[in-house]
Amino acid sequence: EIVMTQSPATLSVSPGERATLSCRASQSVSSNLAWYQQKPGQAPRLLIYGASTRATGIPARFSGSGSGTEFTLTISSLQSEDFAVYYCQQYNNWPPGTFGPGTKVDIK
Amino acid sequence: EVQLVESGGGLVQPGGSLRLSCAASGFTFSSYEMNWVRQAPGKGLEWVSYISSSGSTIYYADSVKGRFTISRDNAKNSLYLQMNSLRAEDTAVYYCARAPRGYSGQADYWGQGTLVTVSS
Repeated sequence: EIVMTQSPATLSVSPGERATLSCRASQSVSSNLAWYQQKPGQAPRLLIYGASTRATGIPARFSGSGSGTEFTLTISSLQSEDFAVYYCQQYNNWPPGTFGPGTKVDIK
Repeated sequence: EVQLVESGGGLVQPGGSLRLSCAASGFTFSSYEMNWVRQAPGKGLEWVSYISSSGSTIYYADSVKGRFTISRDNAKNSLYLQMNSLRAEDTAVYYCARAPRGYSGQADYWGQGTLVTVSS
């Protein structure tokens, strides 16, 4: 089973600043990597799939990059509604589609 | 608008059973693969089970294999998860999630979740 790790566990950012979140896979997952956003009390929402393709309705300030084992989610200018937990998920070696432990983005 | 609405959660004793349902609307349910994903309180996401659009292909996480059964009724636009021999570690919010066409392992739409609590 592929193990996903994310760093940092918590990222404190001021509104308007750039946020960079990292995700690493224990072995190559090619570009079969998705990012999800989850706010308290809500279901996750798909942000990015194929490592870099934004899902329907996702603002352009969200971008994904990487391939193989190293991936990055960048939020170019944080808005108040972006403070949430972000999960990466590999679906290259599926099932199971393993998730990372999440990165919490909170207000600095 | 795509909508997924789970129901059937609640408090159950260890060793007990529960059946979750997910009512789908706003899309052609019979054309999409579906997943169940769970989240223990304060924890991350864990994929639980998958079913193909026709129901012919099914997968389970090792943690639930032999205890949980996924099924679907395309005529009723509904997805189910029969959970038997429940354990304390099965306590979680259970989400049904649609897999986008061609991406079985992803989830592009999620329900609001239903809480299952296993406790005596």
